[in-house]
Amino acid sequence: ETGVTQTPRHLVMGMTNKKSLKCEQHLGHNAMYWYKQSAKKPLELMFVYSLEERVENNSVPSRFSPECPNSSHLFLHLHTLQPEDSALYLCASSQWGPTGVGGYTFGSGTRLTVV
Amino acid sequence: GENVEQHPSTLSVQEGDSAVIKCTYSDSASNYFPWYKQELGKRPQLIIDIRSNVGEKKDQRIAVTLNKTAKHFSLHITETQPEDSAVYFCAASGGSNSGYALNFGKGTSLLVTP
Repeated sequence: ETGVTQTPRHLVMGMTNKKSLKCEQHLGHNAMYWYKQSAKKPLELMFVYSLEERVENNSVPSRFSPECPNSSHLFLHLHTLQPEDSALYLCASSQWGPTGVGGYTFGSGTRLTVV
Repeated sequence: GENVEQHPSTLSVQEGDSAVIKCTYSDSASNYFPWYKQELGKRPQLIIDIRSNVGEKKDQRIAVTLNKTAKHFSLHITETQPEDSAVYFCAASGGSNSGYALNFGKGTSLLVTP
């Protein structure tokens, strides 16, 4: 493991379901991110949390709801998704400091299929 | 916000040849430029990065160059091997406009044939 763990690895959900993705990092980083990776738009930034405070919401639909209860955990709550939301959802963490951001460590991702 | 363009989208080279991937960015305040390698079915992994106070950085067969004036940076892989086959992503930090989150290029699929 690289220090960033995502669960589940695979998820199939109907459009009326509610599910949550979980990300956990053990690297002592102070920033965490959600990215969406699909064939059409690789690595789209969704949300950014720094020190548990959301600092960016990149025009993501409200059917995606992030939560960061502490600096080690990040969730993405999903409800009433659409088929076009099917993608690989990647969590990442990094360290922010006076010189800016450090390199990301990515999790293995959750492969989401909406039926 | 930051816009990162990456070219080419696909690249095929013979084993032993060099490969070059180029990226441009729009935010002149950006100061951090990493490159990630993503093998099929695996997570992206950082392979090399460069900050704006440096023009070139090298790590064995991999090098990155940065031209701040022109706002472009490039990845150079020499003596390519089949295991270099993967998708490579460049990225730039958002600089002053959108904090420090990385914005990624669309990726280059590199194929190294024996």
